[in-house]
Amino acid sequence: AQTVTQSQPEMSVQEAETVTLSCTYDTSENNYYLFWYKQPPSRQMILVIRQEAYKQQNATENRFSVNFQKAAKSFSLKISDSQLGDTAMYFCAFMKGHYQLIWGAGTKLIIKP
Amino acid sequence: SQTIHQWPATLVQPVGSPLSLECTVEGTSNPNLYWYRQAAGRGLQLLFYSVGIGQISSEVPQNLSASRPQDRQFILSSKKLLLSDSGFYLCAWSLTSGETQYFGPGTRLLVL
Repeated sequence: AQTVTQSQPEMSVQEAETVTLSCTYDTSENNYYLFWYKQPPSRQMILVIRQEAYKQQNATENRFSVNFQKAAKSFSLKISDSQLGDTAMYFCAFMKGHYQLIWGAGTKLIIKP
Repeated sequence: SQTIHQWPATLVQPVGSPLSLECTVEGTSNPNLYWYRQAAGRGLQLLFYSVGIGQISSEVPQNLSASRPQDRQFILSSKKLLLSDSGFYLCAWSLTSGETQYFGPGTRLLVL
């Protein structure tokens, strides 16, 4: 069965620092998609970044980038120049088949002023 | 651009009462639609998904049901709520299967 593991329940960093959130997953599939979503206190789930497994190049979106290691089944999220608005729960998710997202338990990220 | 709406935002219901949560998408046609539930401090659990009008697939057996009466409308229902139905319900859409899912603002449901 596919599983997603986020080993850091909570992290905190100072504003402007760089932080890396860890995610590992387990699957026997070769082609799949991975996602990072953030959930601020409003609880709306917001897409941060998406990675296609067949692409070797790591995805980037402004201050957000991933380190995708397919062989190790690792998918970490790096946030550079962190901002107060980055404070949120961050969820790693794996797309099983064509419909179902399998979610990690989340990492609570606190950016301190 | 596409937008997704959910209502109500918050709902408090007694055990045994019926439930109807609504989700609508604007700015796209024939989207895939999804209902998820999130327990406190946890990731999301897929409840239902739909690839077209009247086409509903259930991922988890429970006392909830879903319907898609119109192309961009997705409804989550229950005839009799249980205490365990409390949670945060999120609707999502995607352009097609395998594509990124975009979420609505969610509904907080408390069953007392």
